[in-house]
Amino acid sequence: DIQMTQSPSTLSASIGDRVTITCRASQTISSSLAWYQQKPGKAPNLLIYKASSLENGVPSRFSGSGSGTEFTLTISSLQPDDFATYYCQQYNTYPWTFGQGTKVEIK
Amino acid sequence: QVQLVESGGGVVQPGGSLRLSCAASGFSFSSYDMHWVRQAPGKRPEWVAVIYNDGSKKYYTASVKDRFTISRDNSKNTLYLQMNSLRAEDTAVYYCAKIMTIGRGDAFDIWGQGTMVTVSS
Repeated sequence: DIQMTQSPSTLSASIGDRVTITCRASQTISSSLAWYQQKPGKAPNLLIYKASSLENGVPSRFSGSGSGTEFTLTISSLQPDDFATYYCQQYNTYPWTFGQGTKVEIK
Repeated sequence: QVQLVESGGGVVQPGGSLRLSCAASGFSFSSYDMHWVRQAPGKRPEWVAVIYNDGSKKYYTASVKDRFTISRDNSKNTLYLQMNSLRAEDTAVYYCAKIMTIGRGDAFDIWGQGTMVTVSS
């Protein structure tokens, strides 16, 4: 199985901060990577697909980059609604796998 | 609008069975591969199974193979997950999820609200 490793696991930041989350795949997955935001008690919500494509309706402060095995999610200016847990997910090879998550907390 | 609604969760004893359903609306259900994803409390989501749009192929994560069966009824726009020989480690919220595009391999753009399955004596 392809292992997805995110860093950091927890991130403390302030409103307006630039935030970067990294996701590393244990083998190449091309650009078959998605980023989701999840809030407590809710299903994950798609932010980014194909590593760098912004889902419709998602604010432009979110961006993704990378290919192969190294990927990043960047929030250019953190807003109050962005405090949540973020997951990367590969859909290149079954079983599809998720990273362990990055919780973005208020500093 | 595009919607997925799961049902069928509950509390079951170890070794028991449950059948989950996922009612789809607002899109051409028969055109899309459909998936089940679960999330144990405080854990990352875990992909469980996929069924191709026409039901021709099914894939499972190793831990549920030979115990769970994914199926669909395109005439009823409904996805199912039959879960047998349930274990404590199957306790999770179970989501059905749709991928973005017709075809194979894409991100999940629509998720249901989830249904909780608790395996406990």
